Amino acid sequence: NAGVTQTPKFQVLKTGQSMTLQCAQDMNHEYMSWYRQDPGMGLRLIHYSVGAGITDQGEVPNGYNVSRSTTEDFPLRLLSAAPSQTSVYFCASSLPSGEQYFGPGTRLTVT
Amino acid sequence: GDSVTQMEGPVTLSEEAFLTINCTYTATGYPSLFWYVQYPGEGLQLLLKATKADDKGSNKGFEATYRKETTSFHLEKGSVQVSDSAVYFCALSDYSGTYKYIFGTGTRLKVLA
Repeated sequence: NAGVTQTPKFQVLKTGQSMTLQCAQDMNHEYMSWYRQDPGMGLRLIHYSVGAGITDQGEVPNGYNVSRSTTEDFPLRLLSAAPSQTSVYFCASSLPSGEQYFGPGTRLTVT
Repeated sequence: GDSVTQMEGPVTLSEEAFLTINCTYTATGYPSLFWYVQYPGEGLQLLLKATKADDKGSNKGFEATYRKETTSFHLEKGSVQVSDSAVYFCALSDYSGTYKYIFGTGTRLKVLA
């Protein structure tokens, strides 16, 4: 049981490039979320999904897209990277009761 | 809107000292409350939770009680260890038409031997 896995662990992009951060979970959780973690700001919700085919925006969705074609996978796409998107990104899956299980994170630098 | 406020860190304690990390919240509905812990280079891990007023969550010697009257969920531990050094996050979840999961800014704890 791997839990929540994220790839890559580290990534450097140039401004304007696009990329996809991968997230997968093997716990059959319906809820999945993407967060970014910035110093002094805690975690902020980017997008979330309550099941396959259903996604919605969180607190800071601009510049990011998501899709949820299967229960297991929830990729996050950066459409045109900007330096303001330099951050650590965490994917999480959760139980209906609200407990979240986090992946190890992706550290993204945009130059 | 909903929010979570944590005491600012860092908090530095000697081993076996008593720990309190304050957390207060504002919410329009009836949220569930959580404490998560993050060790260096890792994702967050659930430490404990409480889903209704007066519930006490506990795990690994840590405790927190859901106080609706003071809108608080303070984290306590009677005797900290060096291995407790980490960043602690208070969080709430609520569903009132839209899904909300809000984290505090985190409190760094350093325990000295």
